[in-house]
Amino acid sequence: TQLLEQSPQFLSIQEGENLTVYCNSSSVFSSLQWYRQEPGEGPVLLVTVVTGGEVKKLKRLTFQFGDARKDSSLHITAAQPGDTGLYLCAGASPGGKLIFGQGTELSVKP
Amino acid sequence: GAVVSQHPSRVICKSGTSVKIECRSLDFQATTMFWYRQFPKKSLMLMATSNEGSKATYEQGVEKDKFLINHASLTLSTLTVTSAHPEDSSFYICSANEGAITDTQYFGPGTRLTVL
Repeated sequence: TQLLEQSPQFLSIQEGENLTVYCNSSSVFSSLQWYRQEPGEGPVLLVTVVTGGEVKKLKRLTFQFGDARKDSSLHITAAQPGDTGLYLCAGASPGGKLIFGQGTELSVKP
Repeated sequence: GAVVSQHPSRVICKSGTSVKIECRSLDFQATTMFWYRQFPKKSLMLMATSNEGSKATYEQGVEKDKFLINHASLTLSTLTVTSAHPEDSSFYICSANEGAITDTQYFGPGTRLTVL
């Protein structure tokens, strides 16, 4: 059974601080997606990483896919209150199913 | 592009009734759609994989007679919660795989089901 361990599960920080969320697995994924979800809404895709070692940037967000395609990280620089939400990583397994991490509940206080 | 809609966005029903939730891919064709259930402040739990023109594949522990899935066209999948009970109250989310190149899934906005 493929598992994706996401940490931390809860993070409360002050505006302007940096943070990193990690997703780790013993399994190899063909791709890994990061989503952000706000209460009462569906997850919104932030990025898909496909190639081992790949780094993608989305404004203040930096996503990294491990060389072996088993792990990924999301780094946010100078967090803002608008970054508050649930961040989910999900690895793609055969057949197109996504294996989700437990989620990281981020709260950025002004 | 890659927009997925769900209807209704929220529904309240009485115990014992059935509720149908629709999931549509608006600007692409989706041979595969997925149905998830999410509890408050928790991650998504996959219920079933829905393939156009064939029977859905259910995850272990999900009752297929309770949660009926129909994928009648390349842009529409439906989830029917039959004989709903209060414990079925939850946030149900569908997603669609755009297909060809990556395994990226695009999610609908979710349906909040409350069973009284």
